[in-house]
This record gives sequence, C-alpha cells and structure tokens, in this order.
Amino acid sequence: GAVVSQHPSRVICKSGTSVKIECRSLDFQATTMFWYRQFPKQSLMLMATSNEGSKATYEQGVEKDKFLINHASLTLSTLTVTSAHPEDSSFYICSATPGLPSTDTQYFGPGTRLTVL
Amino acid sequence: GENVEQHPSTLSVQEGDSAVIKCTYSDSASNYFPWYKQELGKGPQLIIDIRSNVGEKKDQRIAVTLNKTAKHFSLHITETQPEDSAVYFCAASKGTGGFKTIFGAGTRLFVKA
Repeated sequence: GAVVSQHPSRVICKSGTSVKIECRSLDFQATTMFWYRQFPKQSLMLMATSNEGSKATYEQGVEKDKFLINHASLTLSTLTVTSAHPEDSSFYICSATPGLPSTDTQYFGPGTRLTVL
Repeated sequence: GENVEQHPSTLSVQEGDSAVIKCTYSDSASNYFPWYKQELGKGPQLIIDIRSNVGEKKDQRIAVTLNKTAKHFSLHITETQPEDSAVYFCAASKGTGGFKTIFGAGTRLFVKA
C-alpha cells in the first residue's frame, strides 16, 4: 500500500517551454502533497505544500508563478515548470500523506528528471 | 527553526558488518522521525519510523533508537548486504498542523561484497 506515482519519469525540453509533472497517489487519498527538488548528491529541498482544493504554500525563495501547482483531487497534484531554463534542470520528487492512520508520514514518488536544453 | 544534522556523510562497510547512522535535531517539539532509503535515480523509500513516545523500534535487520533528552536518533542496519548500498536520509517532524518535515543531508552507504 501507499504507492505514489509520477509521470513522466524523464523529460527533456527546450528553454522557454513549459513542462507539467503529475503526481498520483494510487491506493490512498492524499490529504496533503509535497513537491521537492533535489540536486545531485544533495538532500531534498521542499518547494511547496499543497492541499486538495486550496492554493499551495510555497517555501521562501520558490517562485509561485514559475512553479505552478494544482491539487485538483485527493489523488492528483501537478507541478508545471513554466518558461523553463537550464537552471531548472533537476530531479523533482513529490510525496503524499494519507492522513490515516498517520497524518505526518510521507510516501514519495519515483521522481522526474527534468533536463532543459 | 528545526535543524537536522546527519553523520557520517559517507559510510563504507564490509558485507555482514553493521552500519550505524546518527542524526541530531534541534527542536524539542519534534515527535516523528522517519528514515528513508534512496537508490540512484529513484525516489526516497520509507524504511522505518519512530515516534517520540517510543525509545526503540526494530524491523528485521533495521532498528532505530531515539534519545529525546539528547535529541538524537540513530539507524542501525545489521548483517549488511550489497543491496543495502544507497543514500539514507533521516528526518524530523512536529506532526500535523502544517509543520514541515526537515531532512538530514544524507549518508551514502557502501556495502562491499
């Protein structure tokens, strides 16, 4: 149980284009979903927290107009990187909390490798 | 805010030996401490967690201990196997209410066959 999927697993795009990454909780309803960014050999950096039906809460330094998050249902959250540039190249990982029995346990997706040319 | 320090950054052990990774946290209100294993190119996988009302938890070859007074917790892997090689992250959280989970910097574990 507690499986989280991400799509796509890898994406290569040209500078200036937008890329959408989907995060789905497959066997549970996620009260909260998180989006992280991870640089090579570094820890996880929280970008934003989203709850279904409400606006995402962004961490300091993360541009909300560049990283658009939509949490339309209890099983789906999307991250759109708008007008991507090479510096946005990174490993993006989502996580979700099932709410029950634990409201603070996060289950992570497999990640999406974004390369901006 | 909460800070989580993790040591060592790299750990190399012989197959069959034990591995210990230690973390300290700064916020005494933290009450949930998960450990994640991340293999190359994959997302982190929850391997074990412990809450502040428990001092130790074990799951087969993996155990976690928590010392609330000293504000540190440790991951113990016994009888290590090559497939245990990965990056391990500790984390601390104050639970619900919008509190963030703070992650350690990670420990790269190499198990030599």
